Amino acid sequence: DVKVTQSSRYLVKRTGEKVFLECVQDMDHENMFWYRQDPGLGLRLIYFSYDVKMKEKGDIPEGYSVSREKKERFSLILESASTNQTSMYLCASRRAQNTGELFFGEGSRLTVL
Amino acid sequence: GQQVMQIPQYQHVQEGEDFTTYCNSSTTLSNIQWYKQRPGGHPVFLIQLVKSGEVKKQKRLTFQFGEAKKNSSLHITATQTTDVGTYFCAGRVGNQFYFGTGTSLTVIP
Repeated sequence: DVKVTQSSRYLVKRTGEKVFLECVQDMDHENMFWYRQDPGLGLRLIYFSYDVKMKEKGDIPEGYSVSREKKERFSLILESASTNQTSMYLCASRRAQNTGELFFGEGSRLTVL
Repeated sequence: GQQVMQIPQYQHVQEGEDFTTYCNSSTTLSNIQWYKQRPGGHPVFLIQLVKSGEVKKQKRLTFQFGEAKKNSSLHITATQTTDVGTYFCAGRVGNQFYFGTGTSLTVIP
């Protein structure tokens, strides 16, 4: 079974803090994604990566950056957390570009005070 | 902006009743996927539809892709308490998948 592991299930941070959300997949998938999930808005794509050291902006990249130094790891970075970034963050991976299903991690619920 | 709309946002049904959720896109979709998210869980892939007018079944679940490839539906026959959760569609436009807003299903025993 594919396993997508997110480093933290719950985080509480203060406004202005730098936040790192880590995601690791164990199935040698090429594609990795970061979504945020908010009530009534569904899943919105923040950033994605089709390969190592490659990254592309999704629909809502403002306030976020990403890093993919190794194929199995995709990190989401909030340089200076704000209260409107309080949300559930979901990492996902996929075998290859535009094919097949997304495999999601358990999610990281971030609260910014 | 949002390219895939999903209705209804919430649905409460008595156990044994049927349930349907609909996805609509303003643009033609290359394909569409459906996911289920149990309460407290993460989305899990259910199925992918590719062809115009395609219909697929998984036990009590029936998935349809519209002839114009702009809409899709998920129908559950005789709901059970295990069907509780939020159902998302994800439509492919260009190189991206756009998720619908989801339909939260509550099944009353």
